[in-house]
Amino acid sequence: AQSVTQLGSHVSVSEGALVLLRCNYSSSVPPYLFWYVQYPNQGLQLLLKYTSAATLVKGINDFEAEFKKSETSFHLTKPSAHMSDAAEYFCAARSSARQLTFGSGTQLTVLP
Amino acid sequence: DAGVIQSPRHEVTEMGQEVTLRCKPISGHNSLFWYRQTMMRGLELLIYFNNNVPIDDSGMPEDRFSAKMPNASFSTLKIQPSEPRDSAVYFCASSLEGDRDSSPLHFGNGTRLTVT
Repeated sequence: AQSVTQLGSHVSVSEGALVLLRCNYSSSVPPYLFWYVQYPNQGLQLLLKYTSAATLVKGINDFEAEFKKSETSFHLTKPSAHMSDAAEYFCAARSSARQLTFGSGTQLTVLP
Repeated sequence: DAGVIQSPRHEVTEMGQEVTLRCKPISGHNSLFWYRQTMMRGLELLIYFNNNVPIDDSGMPEDRFSAKMPNASFSTLKIQPSEPRDSAVYFCASSLEGDRDSSPLHFGNGTRLTVT
């Protein structure tokens, strides 16, 4: 069964610093991979998705993620954190079974 | 595009009562998902419909939970009888499924259920 691991349930960065949120998947066949963001009292919004067209995927709000098959990773980065980036971030993987499996989430705090 | 619409946003009920959560997917989407989110278990897929037909309900916790999709624009998740451990945020999501599996899910804002 597909599984998704997010290292670090809480990450704090200073405003303007690099954001790095880690995600690893377990699958013998590279799945489709997604990053979602959840703001308080809201549903999940798609940030970006990997569909094998390119290993470096750019998303909204200057977020990007790089697919590394050798490391089974799909880490999310942003060069410069803004206060408005404070939210919970979820990595997700979708296999041929068409079910979307979510990681446990990483709460990002941005310090002034 | 109004997005996925869920109602109610908040529901507080007493143990033993019936609870019905409602979802209107995005027009034109052919797949609908119900998820439950709790601090302890994170996001769990409860059931998945494709073209109004339940495809996978293995995530439904027990017989107290049931879901229906009578048409392409409406789905319900019912809990009868409700228990305090059912307290969670329930999300509905929809997508346009094709031959590929890369279709993203579009989520509603959720229903926060509290069972006392």
